[in-house]
Amino acid sequence: EVHLVESGGGLVQPGGSLRLSCAASGFTFSTYEMNWVRQAPGKGLEWVSDINNSGNTIYYADSVKGRFTISRDNAKNSLYLQMNSLRAEDTAVYYCARIRWYGSGRASGMDVWGQGTTVTVSS
Amino acid sequence: DIVMTQSPDSLAVSLGERATINCKSSQSVLYSSNNKNYLTWYQQKPGQPPKLLIYWASTRESGVPDRFSGSGSGTDFTLTISSLQAEDVAVYYCQQYYSTPLVTFGGGTKVEIK
Repeated sequence: EVHLVESGGGLVQPGGSLRLSCAASGFTFSTYEMNWVRQAPGKGLEWVSDINNSGNTIYYADSVKGRFTISRDNAKNSLYLQMNSLRAEDTAVYYCARIRWYGSGRASGMDVWGQGTTVTVSS
Repeated sequence: DIVMTQSPDSLAVSLGERATINCKSSQSVLYSSNNKNYLTWYQQKPGQPPKLLIYWASTRESGVPDRFSGSGSGTDFTLTISSLQAEDVAVYYCQQYYSTPLVTFGGGTKVEIK
C-alpha cells in the first residue's frame, strides 16, 4: 500500500528552525516529483515547494523562498523540508504529497498525501 | 500567479439533492498543445488530508464515486455532487496545474447537510 508519513513538527520560537521529514513506502519514490503543501489553522491549502524526482529542480512559493529548503534522499525514500527563520505565519499543518502526471506530459494532481505534521511558531 | 476563486464559500444541501461548486481562474488553464484543462478538485474531510477527486477538469480519479462530476473549460469550472450523501460532508478545493509547479488552490467550499 502506498504511504507517506510526515514527522518533525513541533513548537518553535519565532526565528527558530525545524526539519520536517516525509517517509515514503509502497511505490518507487525515486520516479516521482514531490511537494510540500501547508494549511494554517482553519484556513485553506497553500503550496509550499516542489522537487523533481532526481532532486535537481526545485521551486518555492514566494512566502518561503530564502527561508525553506526542500531536499530528498531517494536511497532512503525520504523527502525533507528544512525551515529556517520561522515566523508566526508559518504555523500550519505541513503535508507531503506525491505528484501524478497521468500520462499527459505535465503534472496534473497530488494523488497521495500524508496525514501531516503540525508546526507551531510561537513564543 | 493564477488566482483561483471558488463560490460559494459554503452551502447546505439536503441528502439526495444536488450540490454545485464553482471555480474560476484568473487566466485560462487550458493547455492548447493537448487540449486539456489543468484543473483538479480535492475533497478534505475534517481531520484528514485532501483527497484527489477529479483531474483534467472532468476525469474522475480511480475509486471516486460517479456522483462526483467535473465540467468546464478555460476559466470556469464546476464540481457537481449529483446526490449528496452524508459521507460527502467536507471542504472542496479546486487547484490549477497550468502553471505547474507553481500551483494555486481556490479558497475552498464547505458542503454541509441541510
